[in-house]
Amino acid sequence: AQRVTQPEKLLSVFKGAPVELKCNYSYSGSPELFWYVQYSRQRLQLLLRHISRESIKGFTADLNKGETSFHLKKPFAQEEDSAMYYCALRASGAGSYQLTFGKGTKLSVIP
Amino acid sequence: GAGVSQTPSNKVTEKGKYVELRCDPISGHTALYWYRQSLGQGPEFLIYFQGTGAADDSGLPNDRFFAVRPEGSVSTLKIQRTERGDSAVYLCASSPGGLQKTQYFGPGTRLLVL
Repeated sequence: AQRVTQPEKLLSVFKGAPVELKCNYSYSGSPELFWYVQYSRQRLQLLLRHISRESIKGFTADLNKGETSFHLKKPFAQEEDSAMYYCALRASGAGSYQLTFGKGTKLSVIP
Repeated sequence: GAGVSQTPSNKVTEKGKYVELRCDPISGHTALYWYRQSLGQGPEFLIYFQGTGAADDSGLPNDRFFAVRPEGSVSTLKIQRTERGDSAVYLCASSPGGLQKTQYFGPGTRLLVL
């Protein structure tokens, strides 16, 4: 069975400081990893996925299979980045569609 | 276009009652998912539909939970004999189908069982 761990429930940073939200996973195969974000009073939405290898809103995340990690990073935090962030994993192979989520990290950017 | 919608947005019921939660997916999306999010937790998978059939219901916690999607569009999650532990936010997501497609989430239904 797969598992996603987000060790920090809450992360507070000052505006302009770098941000790193940690995500570790446990899965024996080749997973697909995602970051979802939920802004206040909004629905859960996809921020980025590792196969796209793109930067969204200044955020990047690199899949490190050796360390089984998919940490989310941004060099300069903005106030509008304050939100709940969830790391999620989808297993590989046929029949793989459900997402397994971590418990989430609440990011608070202090002005 | 319109996103995934869920009704009601909030539902308060008494222990032992029956509830139905509705999900309207994005038009044309063949895949539909239900998740449950308890307080302080991430969403947990309940059931997945491809078209009208439940392709995987392994996440349903027990036989009090049931979901249908009779015409391959709207889905209803049904909970019988509700218990206080069923209190959570129930999320619905849809995707265009296929294994590598992004899931788009609805706003959720917040269920409170008194």
